[in-house]
Amino acid sequence: GESVGLHLPTLSVQEGDNSIINCAYSNSASDYFIWYKQESGKGPQFIIDIRSNMDKRQGQRVTVLLNKTVKHLSLQIAATQPGDSAVYFCAEKPHGSSNTGKLIFGQGTTLQVKP
Amino acid sequence: DTGVSQNPRHKITKRGQNVTFRCDPISEHNRLYWYRQTLGQGPEFLTYFQNEAQLEKSRLLSDRFSAERPKGSFSTLEIQRTEQGDSAMYLCASQGGAYEQYFGPGTRLTVT
Repeated sequence: GESVGLHLPTLSVQEGDNSIINCAYSNSASDYFIWYKQESGKGPQFIIDIRSNMDKRQGQRVTVLLNKTVKHLSLQIAATQPGDSAVYFCAEKPHGSSNTGKLIFGQGTTLQVKP
Repeated sequence: DTGVSQNPRHKITKRGQNVTFRCDPISEHNRLYWYRQTLGQGPEFLTYFQNEAQLEKSRLLSDRFSAERPKGSFSTLEIQRTEQGDSAMYLCASQGGAYEQYFGPGTRLTVT
């Protein structure tokens, strides 16, 4: 399953399939990007991050792709499991001398995994 | 538990009352952030501390909001004269030497 366009509020996938969650970021000068998973009633949980000098980074079952030309970030989850059901947020860290490391979050995509 | 902790987890208050939330960051993390999250939205930055110094405040942080980190360890966020629009999840995150921020479970505030 894949979310298309700039943002899709909900993505529904079958257990075992791969998921792709997309995100468009706003600031071409951002130098760091991060994906968080948030389950209901909990704080965001770090999944994976990538710096702007890279275009791909892999973790355990997750891959983040960065396309700076079109300001696009994606999170790929392999062999999606019911425990992956959550809201996923991308966030960017603007670069600049006054920057303090604050993150700017996107609106989030809800991933629903069907057993 | 060595993660970020926040207290209380839930707070219900009447409009006009003052509330205070506490955040205990990961030990030795010198950077601490407060964010606010409303239903269906991503977290929004409120303020940032490096050690005990408050170095940035968002325009979202009105005069009714104040945050402190007196000894560079735990932090408090106080809201005076609460309004219904203050109802939200208040999240704290801490950061060490790398870039990633680790979030606490949040304090859910409901103003009636």
